[in-house]
Amino acid sequence: DIQMTQSPSSLSASVGDRVIITCRTSQNINKCLNWYQHKPGHAPELLIYSASTLQSGVPSRFSGSGSGTDFTLTISSLQPEDFATYSCQQSYTAPFTFGRGTKLEIK
Amino acid sequence: EVQLVESGGGVVQPGRSLRLSCAASGFTFDDYAMHWVRQVPGKGLEWVSGITWNSDRLEYVDSVKGRFTISRDNTKNSLYLQMNSLTAEDTAFYYCAKNSHPEGAFWPGDYMDVWGKGTTVTVAS
Repeated sequence: DIQMTQSPSSLSASVGDRVIITCRTSQNINKCLNWYQHKPGHAPELLIYSASTLQSGVPSRFSGSGSGTDFTLTISSLQPEDFATYSCQQSYTAPFTFGRGTKLEIK
Repeated sequence: EVQLVESGGGVVQPGRSLRLSCAASGFTFDDYAMHWVRQVPGKGLEWVSGITWNSDRLEYVDSVKGRFTISRDNTKNSLYLQMNSLTAEDTAFYYCAKNSHPEGAFWPGDYMDVWGKGTTVTVAS
C-alpha cells in the first residue's frame, strides 16, 4: 500500500498568512494526488485534483504543486473560512489512501 | 442538484453487524464508481472501500477485508456497505463519495468530487 506522510499535523496561523502543507508518498504516484478540506459537521470538499488543478468554485488563493512523491498545498492569504482540516489523498492505486490531515487553527 | 445521502448508522455492540446505505440523486448513478470513506473522531479521513459501476471490481482497505462488503443497486441509485464483526476501531463517521471519472471504473488520477454528509457508527457495549 502507498503510505502518505502529511505535515504538519497541526498549524496555527493568522488571517492573511501564507500557509504551506506538504504531502509525501512512499512511491511515485505521478500527479495522482488530491486535496480535500473538511470541517466538523460538514461533508469534505475537494479543493485540488491531479496535484495542481483547482476544483471549480474553489477560491484561487488555494493552489497545489508537485509530482512523483512530493506535493504541496498552498493557501496564499488565509481567510476566516479556511480554518479547517486539510487532507491529501492518492488516487494512483487502491487502497486510495489519505494523509493523516493537517488541522489549521486560528492563532 | 447532485446529492448523496447516507443512512443506517447507529450504536451497535461489538461483534454485531450494520448496513449503511447511500442514496444518490442528480446524476447518472451507474456511470460512476463509488467509495466509502470514514473519519474516526479526532483523526483523519480513511478510505474504506470502492466499487466500479457494474460491481466487477471491489476494493477494500486491509483493516476491513473479510468483514465489510460493498455493493450497489443501480436500479435504485443506491450504494451499500455491509459491516460485520464490528469492533470499537470501526467507530467513525462514514461518508459515501462519488468517483470523478464518468466511465465507471477506477482510473489513476480520479478524485472524489461529491460527498454525502455522512452517518455515524458507534461500536460499544
